[in-house]
Parts: sequence; structure tokens; C-alpha cells
Amino acid sequence: GAVVSQHPSWVICKSGTSVKIECRSLDFQATTMFWYRQFPKKSLMLMATSNEGSKATYEQGVEKDKFLINHASLTLSTLTVTSAHPEDSSFYICSARDLAGGPSTDTQYFGPGTRLTVL
Amino acid sequence: AQKITQTQPGMFVQEKEAVTLDCTYDTSDPSYGLFWYKQPSSGEMIFLIYQGSYDQQNATEGRYSLNFQKARKSANLVISASQLGDSAMYFCAMREGWGYNKLIFGAGTRLAVHP
Repeated sequence: GAVVSQHPSWVICKSGTSVKIECRSLDFQATTMFWYRQFPKKSLMLMATSNEGSKATYEQGVEKDKFLINHASLTLSTLTVTSAHPEDSSFYICSARDLAGGPSTDTQYFGPGTRLTVL
Repeated sequence: AQKITQTQPGMFVQEKEAVTLDCTYDTSDPSYGLFWYKQPSSGEMIFLIYQGSYDQQNATEGRYSLNFQKARKSANLVISASQLGDSAMYFCAMREGWGYNKLIFGAGTRLAVHP
């Protein structure tokens, strides 16, 4: 159980275009999902917390107009990189919490990641 | 100050031997959770083990165990009987407070298992 999927697994786009990345919890419900960014050989950097039915909470330094997050249902959150530029090229990973586990364990399960390359 | 510190950028271990990956943390919140994740070269983050701040016993999951020393604020991961497939990046992470709070990750340790 506790499977999180991401789509697409990789994407190459031209500078100036927008890219949407989907994150789905396949066998559990998640009111909260998280979006991370990871540069090569670096740790995960939290970008934002996505809350079902409400606005996302962005970390300091993350442009909310650049990285649009929509958490439309208990199993789906989307990250849209708007007007992408080469410096947005990175590995984007989402995670979700299994509600059934409760806050005491609140293990986050991660998606397989999306590698974005902006030319 | 760093919330999560992993001081070993890289570690080597012989197959079938045990290895300890270090992690220290810093928090003033009495309620917190500590996690270890494995990231193979394919990129996915695989949950390994969890330790709550109020847990009396060290967590164990198969070949993984967490050496939780609360007074020292350390949460080292011990992998017993290393296998070639254990070669990966390992991240220690902390959740501060109680509830659905974000995780703070350490810089990671790259483990290489040699035959």
C-alpha cells in the first residue's frame, strides 16, 4: 500500500512554456501533499505544502506565481511550472501523507519524481 | 543552525557487514518524528524507518534499526548484513511538532556496498 505516482516521469520543454506535473496517491487519501525540488547530488528542498481544498503554503524564496499548485481532490495535486526557464531544470518530487496513519506516524510516501529539462 | 546534520558525505562497506549512518538533529520541540529514506540512482525516495520522540524503544524494520539517543539528539541508522542493493543515498529527516507538518532533510550520505 501507500503508493504515490507522478506523471510525467520526465519532460523536456522549450524555454517560456508551462509544464504541469501530477502527483497522485493511488491507494490512500491525502489531505496534505508536499512538493520538493532536488538539484543533482543535493538534498530535497521543500517548495510548498499542498492542502486539499485550500491554497498552498509556499516556503520562503519560492515564487508562488512561478510554481502554481492545485490540490483539487484527496488523491491529486498538481504543480505547474509557468514560463519555464533553464534554471528551473531540476528533479521535482512530491510526497503524500496517509490519513489513516494519523499524525503520530505521519509517514510521507514519495512519488518517483519528475525530471524537468528546460532548453 | 542546521536542523538535521549528516556528517558523512560518503560511506563504504563490505557486503554482509553492518554499517552505521550518522544523523544528529536540533529541535526544542518535545514532540517530533525522525525518518530515514533511501534514494537509489533511479531517484525515488523509499521510506525505511520511523522513530517518534516519545517512543521508548528503538525502531527496527527488518535489516534496518534506528539507534535513538535522545539526550545526544542522534538518530543513527544501522543496516545489518549489507547487500549490494543497499548502495544508494540515505537521507535522515525530522518532523517537528505534532501533526501534519513538513519534513526537514539532512544533506544525505552516499553508501557504497562492495562485494
